Amino acid sequence: QQPVQSPQAVILREGEDAVINCSSSKALYSVHWYRQKHGEAPVFLMILLKGGEQKGHEKISASFNEKKQQSSLYLTASQLSYSGTYFCGTAVSSNTGKLIFGQGTTLQVKP
Amino acid sequence: SAVISQKPSRDICQRGTSLTIQCQVDSQVTMMFWYRQQPGQSLTLIATANQGSEATYESGFVIDKFPISRPNLTFSTLTVSNMSPEDSSIYLCSTRDREYSPLHFGNGTRLTVT
Repeated sequence: QQPVQSPQAVILREGEDAVINCSSSKALYSVHWYRQKHGEAPVFLMILLKGGEQKGHEKISASFNEKKQQSSLYLTASQLSYSGTYFCGTAVSSNTGKLIFGQGTTLQVKP
Repeated sequence: SAVISQKPSRDICQRGTSLTIQCQVDSQVTMMFWYRQQPGQSLTLIATANQGSEATYESGFVIDKFPISRPNLTFSTLTVSNMSPEDSSIYLCSTRDREYSPLHFGNGTRLTVT
């Protein structure tokens, strides 16, 4: 079942922060976050495993609450290069390895 | 991370014809998947391409319409059969090395059916 992302779209000024949420009705094994720019393939940002571990990558970090089956992506001091569509991909088991993606959140960062 | 090459990068096809998309990876990968992305939409999993056996299809996708081959650990093909305009989409090949590894994508095949 497809995870639900919120919000659907965000418009920011450079330097502002944003949070994107991803929620699933199924128990999750892992959550992945990807960013896709127009006309390009999705690019991996980070993976979170069961255990509520928070991962970080420069000014982008994420958390995973396995009890609530939710993950959040935190974008701090946003830059113009952060613009794009963000997808969460969820895995319900380790066996198949497949990911089911949310509907996406479009982020636009303006100067 | 694996480098994934997809061919063709784009094509315009007539209704009723078939197109085979190739996916070549520069290293052996355990897991390989085919996704579809319609304009402005999310990534929808079509099937998992299993090496040496039949692909595993997701709900809404059938082998007769989207036959998949995976003869070895570095190559797979997806055929879109008996195409209609509704099949116009971007088709993406993706791979994972192992359980905790990220999913990597090819650059996609942009298909337009007229």
